[in-house]
Amino acid sequence: GAGVSQTPSNKVTEKGKYVELRCDPISGHTALYWYRQSLGQGPEFLIYFQGTGAADDSGLPNDRFFAVRPEGSVSTLKIQRTERGDSAVYLCASSLFSGHYGYTFGSGTRLTVV
Amino acid sequence: ELKVEQNPLFLSMQEGKNYTIYCNYSTTSDRLYWYRQDPGKSLESLFVLLSNGAVKQEGRLMASLDTKARLSTLHITAAVHDLSATYFCAVGTYKYIFGTGTRLKVLA
Repeated sequence: GAGVSQTPSNKVTEKGKYVELRCDPISGHTALYWYRQSLGQGPEFLIYFQGTGAADDSGLPNDRFFAVRPEGSVSTLKIQRTERGDSAVYLCASSLFSGHYGYTFGSGTRLTVV
Repeated sequence: ELKVEQNPLFLSMQEGKNYTIYCNYSTTSDRLYWYRQDPGKSLESLFVLLSNGAVKQEGRLMASLDTKARLSTLHITAAVHDLSATYFCAVGTYKYIFGTGTRLKVLA
């Protein structure tokens, strides 16, 4: 596609529920990234995919967070047993290579855990 | 641990004035990125600075990088209201560390 697409744009869920956030990168971009942005803060790195594999998942806060990219294109960020502290905007980005030359962000998913 | 600091955090300026936003980082990096974010929107790439001494300009914005000083500047010339936004710098290769952002408000 022309840009990085993220769905849903907004998600409200109850504490303890499971959520999935989807990212559709720019066509042909092999690298895909997930970031989390809390209110008034800069984005924080979560995970980086190169192709189908997670090349660096050091930013995932705990084992409730998991991400997949089974065919090297669309990625899903999965959060189990959501907590109120998970409320944030989750941003996805993609790049042609490994991000050395910058990458393009999607519009984000605003997750609210009530 | 790599840290990225921006100052000022908040900037209110009159239209037509010049100002500079500073971005300091704590460890060696030969590339730096500037992004703009409007309220409720995603991040828009402004500049990618790839080497020491790099300078890039787009309209009223000019960015520079001094890797020896671990410092980048974003200079605003003759500000206009449309430049009101939050500006982030970031360093890294595939994994970016972002600054806390500078919230710029240009008063008409």
